[in-house]
Order: sequence, then structure tokens, then C-alpha cells
Amino acid sequence: QVRLVESGGGLVKPGGSLRLSCAASGFTFSDHYMTWIRQAPGKGLEWISYISSTSSFINYAASVKGRFTISRDNAKNSLYLQINSLRAEDTALYYCARALFGVTTAYYFDSWGQGTLVTVSS
Amino acid sequence: DIQMTQSPSSLSASVGDRVTITCRANQSINIYLNWYQQKPGKAPKLLIYAASSVQSGVPSRFSGSGSGTDFSLTISSLQPEDFATYYCQHSYTTLFSFGPGTKVDIK
Repeated sequence: QVRLVESGGGLVKPGGSLRLSCAASGFTFSDHYMTWIRQAPGKGLEWISYISSTSSFINYAASVKGRFTISRDNAKNSLYLQINSLRAEDTALYYCARALFGVTTAYYFDSWGQGTLVTVSS
Repeated sequence: DIQMTQSPSSLSASVGDRVTITCRANQSINIYLNWYQQKPGKAPKLLIYAASSVQSGVPSRFSGSGSGTDFSLTISSLQPEDFATYYCQHSYTTLFSFGPGTKVDIK
């Protein structure tokens, strides 16, 4: 079955950096678009980035553009999120999710990891 | 950017009640609207995609409808395991966004 496992979160000072990873298994990773979504404590879901299967298409939410970089290594079945210039408001649980696409359905996120917590505090 | 709103932000209901949550986009998004359920401490779970297609394994009491700017998620007979927060999400563009969520709790 599809499994997504995030790692790399932790406590970091404002202005610091982290690299989050998402290890995928149970499906052909290289066939699928992937996405990162975050959730601040007690708040709703915020989509932050998306990457196509071959890394040809990448998009970011305005709130993270220029500070976050999404990437993937299909040989390692892994998705990454490099997060720089961290701010207190970046404190959140970061989820990776698989994005399925259909011509008549567009994208939907059918499988999610359990998330990795990033805490930004001095 | 496309903005999503949901109403109500929270509701109290009893087991067996019919519950409807609405989601609105600030521009037409065709049918490219998905619904997720999230329970405390858990990752979100896909319920409905493309406005009305029920994800495999999701109970038939969940249904979705709508197109353009107005959408709804209906739970025909609320069960104890349905108490959760529900989010809509558009995929009309690849600048995806979620609604703020609707929390369904026990009356």
C-alpha cells in the first residue's frame, strides 16, 4: 500500500534552515506529482508547493516563494523541501501528499504522510 | 489567487443527523473541488474529488455536489466516527488552496 514518511523536522532559530524529506513506498514514485502542505498548530491546512513527476513543473504558495525549494529524487523515491530564512509563522506540521491527476478530475491529494513538525523559536 | 470559504465554521449535530457543509470559491472552478476529513492528531483523508466522485473506501453516506463557485458536502446520517474537521480544496489551477475548515462536533 502507499506509504509516505516525512522526516527532518525539528526546533530551529528564526533565520535558520531545514531540509525536510518524504520517503515514498508502495507505488511508482516517478509516475506521480507530489505536494507539500502544512498546518500550523490549531489552524487549517495550507498548500505550499507542488512538483511534477519529472520536476519540470514546480509551483509555490506566495507565502513561501523565494524561501522554500521543492525537489525530488526519483531514484531514491524521495521528495524534499528545503526551507530557508525560517520565521515564527513557519511553525507547523509539514505533510507530503501524492497528487493524482485526471483530465476530468484535475488534481486531488489521495495519500498523505503523518507529517514532520517544524518549530521556529529562539 | 482563488480564495475558498466554508460555512459554517463549526456545527454541532447528533448521531443520525443529516449534515451539509458548503464551500464557495471566489471565481468559477468548474468541478475541480475536493473534500478532506481530518480527525485530531491525524493526517487529512480524501473523501470526495472532482466535486462529486467518492474516493474508494469512503462510506456511501458521504456525497458531494456543485460546480462553478458553490459546492456542498453532505453526510446523510452522521455516525460517531464522522466527528471531525472537513476541508474543501480547489485544483482549478496549480496554485491550490484550502478552505478554512468546518468542525463537526457532538451536540
